[in-house]
Amino acid sequence: DTAVSQTPKYLVTQMGNDKSIKCEQNLGHDTMYWYKQDSKKFLKIMFSYNNKELIINETVPNRFSPKSPDKAHLNLHINSLELGDSAVYFCASSHSAGLALAQETQYFGPGTRLLVL
Amino acid sequence: QKEVEQNSGPLSVPEGAIASLNCTYSDRGSQSFFWYRQYSGKSPELIMFIYSNGDKEDGRFTAQLNKASQYVSLLIRDSQPSDSATYLCAVKSEGGSEKLVFGKGTKLTVNP
Repeated sequence: DTAVSQTPKYLVTQMGNDKSIKCEQNLGHDTMYWYKQDSKKFLKIMFSYNNKELIINETVPNRFSPKSPDKAHLNLHINSLELGDSAVYFCASSHSAGLALAQETQYFGPGTRLLVL
Repeated sequence: QKEVEQNSGPLSVPEGAIASLNCTYSDRGSQSFFWYRQYSGKSPELIMFIYSNGDKEDGRFTAQLNKASQYVSLLIRDSQPSDSATYLCAVKSEGGSEKLVFGKGTKLTVNP
């Protein structure tokens, strides 16, 4: 069973379209994340939710809107897609947003490769 | 702006050699340090974490942390071609959000 899963794996779409990426984790974790990895492989956090509550919101265009229907799911909706949105989007999860455990580990999903034409 | 710096490489070593990957970070308040390995086209996977000064060994991997110098490294002994990947250093600060700040990664190639 896949611990952190994402759909779709590949997404090719035209500029201006709206698309969604879904993420689910079956690890029982409280915290989920969205990362963007650009063509230079730079991995940067976009959002994080803890128990359905937004706790990290980096400087990301408001065309990107995360939604967490429950703590096992974190979806990412992107409006008016632009060429620069082409990247690999990774979902990740970890046990807790608390800082009690310095060695908290994030587990990554397989990624969604988005290509905007 | 909290930054994590890594040499982008590529770093090329012969099979059986020691590969040394280095990382420096700007936030002196950082407490937790992670090394992730990412094969081409795959997702990052955790190799090791360290949060105390000194060395931490796990099989062929050794993480080294020097908080005074704001420096963390990963040594891979007896390098294998299967170790060829991009290695990402990630740093987490205490007293704030759960945000991990990643370096840009070092691409390692182990030549048979």
